[in-house]
Amino acid sequence: EVQLVESGGGLVQPGGSLRLSCAASGFTVSSNYMSWVRQAPGKGLEWVSVIYSGGSTYYADSVKGRFTISRDNSKNTLYLQMNSLRAEDTAVYYCARDGKVDGIDYWGQGTLVTVSS
Amino acid sequence: SYVLTQPPSVSVAPGQTARITCGGNNIGSKSVHWYQQKPGQAPVLVVYDDSDRPSGIPERFSGSNSGNTATLTISRVEAGDEADYYCQVWDSSSDHHVVFGGGTKLTVL
Repeated sequence: EVQLVESGGGLVQPGGSLRLSCAASGFTVSSNYMSWVRQAPGKGLEWVSVIYSGGSTYYADSVKGRFTISRDNSKNTLYLQMNSLRAEDTAVYYCARDGKVDGIDYWGQGTLVTVSS
Repeated sequence: SYVLTQPPSVSVAPGQTARITCGGNNIGSKSVHWYQQKPGQAPVLVVYDDSDRPSGIPERFSGSNSGNTATLTISRVEAGDEADYYCQVWDSSSDHHVVFGGGTKLTVL
């Protein structure tokens, strides 16, 4: 059974840092495209970042230079390092397996990040 | 960057057919995916690659894509279909690889 379990969310002050983790089971993270998608309270879905199976990484303009996506193949885990956090980064963050032409077929349950003083 | 436009809301009576549109420049040349999201839950893929259904998704959910508009059609709408629906494409022509529409709230009257 495929599962994605996020952790690492919480309350952080503006300018602070946080690292989100997404532990995968039932498939191999490094063989798939993996994305982070966020959803601000009461708002729609916003793509944040993707890491290709080959290792290439891409970011939304809103997080470029502040966030870093990575993976640990030995732990089958995806990460999102978030630095210089702003109030507008407050959202539920989902990790997801992205099948590209097959759509995002598996999502985690989400982890809430709140940036506030 | 590529923009997807959805109506903010669609209302339909139970048993009727709901159609949710997703507009984009020449979207017919892209693969469109649709997600259903209920309050407090993660999104669920209901249609992928324009018109295919993942296993477990009822046949009542179907999709089409041509020209500048993709459409999610929900036949024989049930109360349990009330949710937010999002369209999504890959846009590898830019750095914005994954693009979501703004979402449509489906209300079952």
